[in-house]
Amino acid sequence: ETGVTQTPRHLVMGMTNKKSLKCEQHLGHNAMYWYKQSAKKPLELMFVYSLEERVENNSVPSRFSPECPNSSHLFLHLHTLQPEDSALYLCASSQDIVTGTQETQYFGPGTRLLVL
Amino acid sequence: GQQLNQSPQSMFIQEGEDVSMNCTSSSIFNTWLWYKQDPGEGPVLLIALYKAGELTSNGRLTAQFGITRKDSFLNISASRPSDVGIYFCAGQLLNAGNMLTFGGGTRLMVKP
Repeated sequence: ETGVTQTPRHLVMGMTNKKSLKCEQHLGHNAMYWYKQSAKKPLELMFVYSLEERVENNSVPSRFSPECPNSSHLFLHLHTLQPEDSALYLCASSQDIVTGTQETQYFGPGTRLLVL
Repeated sequence: GQQLNQSPQSMFIQEGEDVSMNCTSSSIFNTWLWYKQDPGEGPVLLIALYKAGELTSNGRLTAQFGITRKDSFLNISASRPSDVGIYFCAGQLLNAGNMLTFGGGTRLMVKP
């Protein structure tokens, strides 16, 4: 138990569906992250939020839409996805992203997404 | 961007053997982290290294932050079936906030 929870754990959706992934951290952290993990590829950073503000968007397609209503919750809204978007989506949090500090990211268990 | 080369990509060993894996980079990092990921789960932090030359242990695990700050290794002694999983290294640059660069992972399989 890392203090970061994600729901759902598994999701199957069609290409025309709209769904949302949820992440919640109970660590009192200020920064939250979305990663995509595909088979045989390194973890890919998608989005970073610090104090509910997006600070990083790594050229992610617009069919992925993040939302951070407060520092404990992070959502990833999905619409019109493609089969190649099937992957494990991981949420992580850290104390902050203040440049110059050495901190650690803690990961949730992930949502396994299958797009048909 | 930064690249982390992690090796080996996979290992199949006998229970009780020691294991060693490493990560190298062309860039200097200020922090090295080692994570383990079990099937169907997210990565769990094993060891964090914050100073060049630092050697840190966590039970049967030992990791070192290379003097050049471009590499790190992780050793597991007396492996067990429960050590099975994928091990990831990650490096952090201080001037990039907390953004991490991950290695490709080492898949460890242990034969009882």
